Amino acid sequence: GAVVSQHPSRVICKSGTSVKIECRSLDFQATTMFWYRQFPKQSLMLMATSNEGSKATYEQGVEKDKFLINHASLTLSTLTVTSAHPEDSSFYICSASGTSGNTIYFGEGSWLTVV
Amino acid sequence: AQSVAQPEDQVNVAEGNPLTVKCTYSVSGNPYLFWYVQYPNRGLQFLLKYITGDNLVKGSYGFEAEFNKSQTSFHLKKPSALVSDSALYFCAVRDIQAGTALIFGKGTTLSVSS
Repeated sequence: GAVVSQHPSRVICKSGTSVKIECRSLDFQATTMFWYRQFPKQSLMLMATSNEGSKATYEQGVEKDKFLINHASLTLSTLTVTSAHPEDSSFYICSASGTSGNTIYFGEGSWLTVV
Repeated sequence: AQSVAQPEDQVNVAEGNPLTVKCTYSVSGNPYLFWYVQYPNRGLQFLLKYITGDNLVKGSYGFEAEFNKSQTSFHLKKPSALVSDSALYFCAVRDIQAGTALIFGKGTTLSVSS
């Protein structure tokens, strides 16, 4: 079946540095990808929606200059956390929707720890 | 705006007993409804979805859910709970017309005791 792959699964970075998380659809074309953030034992909060070849649409309260999203191809979207701070430490999950739009697949998530 | 409510933070059941995890939704158009399960430190696993058709949807691991349009509910059920079903369960909704992202409920922790 369809698979969405996220990399890295865990990353530790120093405050002030930037870190990139990749989300790939492995056997389907993902016209739309979504990025979520999840704090421990809490729900998934939608950060942004990205469509291939266009700018991402950010949810209210999400800093677009801090969380850079690029969806350069139909199989890859990236989330770059710029100038990371400890409060950015979280679980980030991507999901991808194919051309039919009916089914949404989720990656395994990426744990970011900023020290 | 679309939203999902999971009224229970935690549900406790004994192994072998039936379980229900509640979910109600609100969308302006016709909904796509989903249930996902999350084990500690893992991503989401898809359980089942309702798009159209039969109101009773059967999914993975023996779970099922019933779509009730009049009550705007989509409760998750299983006839006989297993200890291994203990996890965090999320209900999610997507507005078909809007083509938007899944919006998740706050989650319900299911604890099955042996």
